[in-house]
Amino acid sequence: KAGVTQTPRYLIKTRGQQVTLSCSPISGHRSVSWYQQTPGQGLQFLFEYFSETQRNKGNFPGRFSGRQFSNSRSEMNVSTLELGDSALYLCASSLGRGGSHEQYFGPGTRLTVT
Amino acid sequence: AQSVTQPDIHITVSEGASLELRCNYSYGATPYLFWYVQSPGQGLQLLLKYFSGDTLVQGIKGFEAEFKRSQSSFNLRKPSVHWSDAAEYFCAVGEGPGANNLFFGTGTRLTVIP
Repeated sequence: KAGVTQTPRYLIKTRGQQVTLSCSPISGHRSVSWYQQTPGQGLQFLFEYFSETQRNKGNFPGRFSGRQFSNSRSEMNVSTLELGDSALYLCASSLGRGGSHEQYFGPGTRLTVT
Repeated sequence: AQSVTQPDIHITVSEGASLELRCNYSYGATPYLFWYVQSPGQGLQLLLKYFSGDTLVQGIKGFEAEFKRSQSSFNLRKPSVHWSDAAEYFCAVGEGPGANNLFFGTGTRLTVIP
């Protein structure tokens, strides 16, 4: 079974631009969560989508948004990029139903904002 | 609020020596606990998890962890470290059924000396 895939792997953007990152979960998984990893703040939860609905949201500004499609693929968007948005963005998928909470992470998208 | 503390930022051990990485959590109810490992430039790989039952859990790559409710701890152990174990290790706590938003510790970087 293929793992979680994220595209692109690397991205360089300029302050003020917007960016869209993509995540394809493991086949059969219906929950997709997004995390931001930075040296200063560590790993922080952004949001989770399950069956095309946002189920949980972390403490991030509204510039960070996401969506999930009917095939469970998910995208996250960051508008009006700031230098502090430079980070590794990790996507994780899980079955999404109660019981097992094993989340499987993708390799991440490294975003650099200049 | 949930929180996870990993008191050791960096640990160095010799190959073949035993290893213990510390993790303390703060959570009101029975926590869902995880250990993940991250190699440079990679995503997170799940080593093991604790939901309920036996407080000593076995994971992949020869790792084990013990849940101690009285100490709010979930320490990771390995009897004999291999050079390939050099990586960053993260402890995480989940809120429970239906919640996939994990709270991560700041990580412990493991260096293995040949």
